Amino acid sequence: NAGVMQNPRHLVRRRGQEARLRCSPMKGHSHVYWYRQLPEEGLKFMVYLQKENIIDESGMPKERFSAEFPKEGPSILRIQQVVRGDSAAYFCASSPRNTEDEKLFFGSGTQLSVL
Amino acid sequence: AQSVTQLGSHVSVSEGALVLLRCNYSSSVPPYLFWYVQYPNQGLQLLLKYTSAATLVKGINGFEAEFKKSETSFHLTKPSAHMSDAAEYFCAVSRGGYQKVTFGTGTKLQVIP
Repeated sequence: NAGVMQNPRHLVRRRGQEARLRCSPMKGHSHVYWYRQLPEEGLKFMVYLQKENIIDESGMPKERFSAEFPKEGPSILRIQQVVRGDSAAYFCASSPRNTEDEKLFFGSGTQLSVL
Repeated sequence: AQSVTQLGSHVSVSEGALVLLRCNYSSSVPPYLFWYVQYPNQGLQLLLKYTSAATLVKGINGFEAEFKKSETSFHLTKPSAHMSDAAEYFCAVSRGGYQKVTFGTGTKLQVIP
């Protein structure tokens, strides 16, 4: 009974490197959301994807950040040329439907530390 | 635009005491409201949700919340705190599509033996 799986749990990168965060949604879920959590702040929406489609990326920084959810395999959040300000916990969530009262199932997150 | 405000980033209660975590929302239309809990090093889990069916919503682990339109509030309560309730709690509001869920800044609950 696998829930939302995220890996790695911890990721350390030096400034300028690339970070790849992976998320496998729950079985049967076709809607994936990425959130970022900064210290002392709530979760901030980044992007909403369905299989092979980006539905809403209004929360994504305009540069260096990208996300995909291919037909096969996990969803990937990619951060190019990381900077110290990218250090945060990144959470993936999935849901079976995209309705306003539907709950989200969260993964345990990836803690990104940029040195 | 929708938003939630959580009053108090840290709340401490004694074991067995009442837990009250405050949340006020701002929404131009009747919202859907949620409380999520986050235990250390884990993702968020849904405690309860309000979807207009009833103003008093019961959730898991003995928590409940009451939707008060006149006060634009959705406070979370539990009659008797348990040590295992120590966690961070997030209020959230949804309207305009599920991906538009907006989370509050969270309240860390400490339970003192």
